[in-house]
Amino acid sequence: KQEVTQIPAALSVPEGENLVLNCSFTDSAIYNLQWFRQDPGKGLTSLLLIQSSQREQTSGRLNASLDKSSGRSTLYIAASQPGDSATYLCALLNQAGTALIFGKGTTLSVSS
Amino acid sequence: GAVVSQHPSWVICKSGTSVKIECRSLDFQATTMFWYRQFPKQSLMLMATSNEGSKATYEQGVEKDKFLINHASLTLSTLTVTSAHPEDSSFYICSASPGQAAQYFGPGTRLTVT
Repeated sequence: KQEVTQIPAALSVPEGENLVLNCSFTDSAIYNLQWFRQDPGKGLTSLLLIQSSQREQTSGRLNASLDKSSGRSTLYIAASQPGDSATYLCALLNQAGTALIFGKGTTLSVSS
Repeated sequence: GAVVSQHPSWVICKSGTSVKIECRSLDFQATTMFWYRQFPKQSLMLMATSNEGSKATYEQGVEKDKFLINHASLTLSTLTVTSAHPEDSSFYICSASPGQAAQYFGPGTRLTVT
């Protein structure tokens, strides 16, 4: 059974720092992997989607990488800002499945 | 494009009553819709998968007679929580898929059962 783990569970950094959020999964037979942002009490905002054949995706200050062989993905946030404070969720779609499997998320707090 | 709405955004109901949550794909047809539940500080857990015109497939541990799902059209799915109890209080999020592994999420519905 696929399991998705995110470390750390919470992270506090001062504004301007570069940071890395980690996601690991147990079964490398994935179709794609996504990173989402969730603000308190709100729904999900898709940040980046990496297909299984890709190694990374970039959008602005965000860069997500995927290493299927090691079962890992990272989300790199450059020059963090207070507005980046949110919970970041990693989710993947198995090759055999149709629904996303989510990690528990990393709650990020960026102080000004 | 690819907008999914949910209604209501929040609801408070008394224990023992039923509440219906709607999930609509506004600008695309969704062959499949998914319902997730999220408890505080926990991740999203899939409850059920529904395909238009057929019965929903429920995940292990989810009571199909308590959480009624209807996917009557390609743009609308409903989740009815029957005989709600305080432990059903949660954040319910739907997602809709037009196919090709794409999924678009609704804004969620906060249910509080008193």
